[in-house]
Amino acid sequence: DSGVTQTPKHLITATGQRVTLRCSPRSGDLSVYWYQQSLDQGLQFLIHYYNGEERAKGNILERFSAQQFPDLHSELNLSSLELGDSALYFCASSLRQGEEKLFFGSGTQLSVL
Amino acid sequence: AQSVAQPEDQVNVAEGNPLTVKCTYSVSGNPYLFWYVQYPNRGLQFLLKYITGDNLVKGSDGFEAEFNKSQTSFHLKKPSALVSDSALYFCAVSGNTGGFKTIFGAGTRLFVKA
Repeated sequence: DSGVTQTPKHLITATGQRVTLRCSPRSGDLSVYWYQQSLDQGLQFLIHYYNGEERAKGNILERFSAQQFPDLHSELNLSSLELGDSALYFCASSLRQGEEKLFFGSGTQLSVL
Repeated sequence: AQSVAQPEDQVNVAEGNPLTVKCTYSVSGNPYLFWYVQYPNRGLQFLLKYITGDNLVKGSDGFEAEFNKSQTSFHLKKPSALVSDSALYFCAVSGNTGGFKTIFGAGTRLFVKA
C-alpha cells in the first residue's frame, strides 16, 4: 500500500459529461502529480501541485482542470468528456519535488461511452 | 524540454539469465533519474533513483541501474531474472523546466520465461 488514495476506482460515464477524480496524498506529502495512462499515449504528465500551488503543467487539455486544497488533497475535473478521454488516471505524491520519488495511487479507470 | 526514450517495447529473457532494459534521456541541467515498475492493475512502484554520486545505483530485489552521462543513458539491469520480475518497467526523468515535473518513458514490458 503506497498510502495514496484515489477515488473512485472505476467510473463509467457518457460523452459530454463532467466527472471529478479525487486523490489523497500520503500523510505529510506536499506534492501531488496527475498522470493519464492510455494504451496509445503511454503515461502522460498532466499537472503538478505543491502545497496548494500549481507548479507545472504538461499535456493537460483545457477541458481538464485540477486543484489542491488546504488539506493537500487534490481533485482532477474532466468536463465535456469525449471517447478519447477513456484512460487510467493516476495520482502520485511526494514529500517535496524534483529529486523525490513518487508514490502512486491505484488509479481511477475512466470509461466514456 | 525533458524527454525519455525506452527503445524496446518488449524484452524477453529466460529465468536465471541477466536482463537489461534500456533508457535514454534528455534534460537541461543535472538529471534526476528513476525506474518504476507496474504490475497488472496496480499503480507504479519505485525501484531506484540516481541523483548524484556513484554511477551504479542499486535498488530493491536485485535491480541496479548504470548512469552514463556521455551516452545520456540509464539502463536497468539485473544479474539473474526471475519469472516474478515480469512486469511493465518505466524510466523517468525529473527536472526543473518550467516547474518540476517527472516525465516517463513509454514503458518496456519484460517477459521472463521459466
